[in-house]
Amino acid sequence: QTVLTQEPSFSVSPGGAVTLTCGLSSGSVSTNHYPSWYQQTPGQAPRSLIYNTNIRSSGVPDRFSGSILGNKAALTISGAQADDESDYFCALSMGSGMYVFGTGTTVTVL
Amino acid sequence: QLQLQESGPGLVRPSETLSLTCTVSGGSITNSGSYWSWVRQPPGKGLEYIETISYSGNTYYNPSLKSRVAISVDTSKNQFSLKLTSVTAADTAVYYCARLITGGCFDYWGRGALVTVSS
Repeated sequence: QTVLTQEPSFSVSPGGAVTLTCGLSSGSVSTNHYPSWYQQTPGQAPRSLIYNTNIRSSGVPDRFSGSILGNKAALTISGAQADDESDYFCALSMGSGMYVFGTGTTVTVL
Repeated sequence: QLQLQESGPGLVRPSETLSLTCTVSGGSITNSGSYWSWVRQPPGKGLEYIETISYSGNTYYNPSLKSRVAISVDTSKNQFSLKLTSVTAADTAVYYCARLITGGCFDYWGRGALVTVSS
C-alpha cells in the first residue's frame, strides 16, 4: 500500500518561511505524479493551493509555492501570516485514475 | 462560480449501504476536462481518495475500496452519486465531493457530509 509521508507538524514565526515535504513510501516523487497541495482549517473543506507540482490555484497568494526537492514534493510558505495556520495535505496521481493523499502537516504560526 | 453540495442520510446502520449524491451548480457536469470525485475524511484523520467518474461514465476507483463502491452520474440532473456497501464503523467519515481537473487538481469541493455508521 502506498503511503505519502508528511511532517506531522511545523511551527513558523509570522513573516517567516517554512517548507513542507511529501515523500513516497517507496520510490521518488516526480512531476509525473502531478503533486498537488491542499489547505484545510477545522470544520472546512480542503482548499486547493498548488497543482501539477508548482501551479497556483486561482486566488492563491504567491507566498505559496510548490516544487520537487530531492525525491519529495515540497510546499513552501514564505512570509507566513496568522491565517496560514492550518492543516496541509499533499496528493499524488499514481496512474490509472488513482490518487493518494498525504498524512497531513499541521502548521502553527506563532 | 462552481458549487458542489453533498446530500444523503447522516446515519447508516452497519452492513447496510451508504448512499450520497453530489449536486453541481454554476456549471455543467459535462464540461470537458472535468471529472467528478469522492474523498472522505474520518474524524480527526487525513483524506482518503474513493473514486472518480467522468460525465461519459468512465470510472476510476481506489483499489482498497473497489469491491464495495459504485459511482454513477446523471447528466440530466447535473449530479453524481456514491454507493458504499457493507459499511462498518470504519466508514464513519465526512464525505466530500470534488471536481478533478487535468493536472491532478481537486479544485472545487463540497462542504462535506458527515456520515456515521452506527446501530
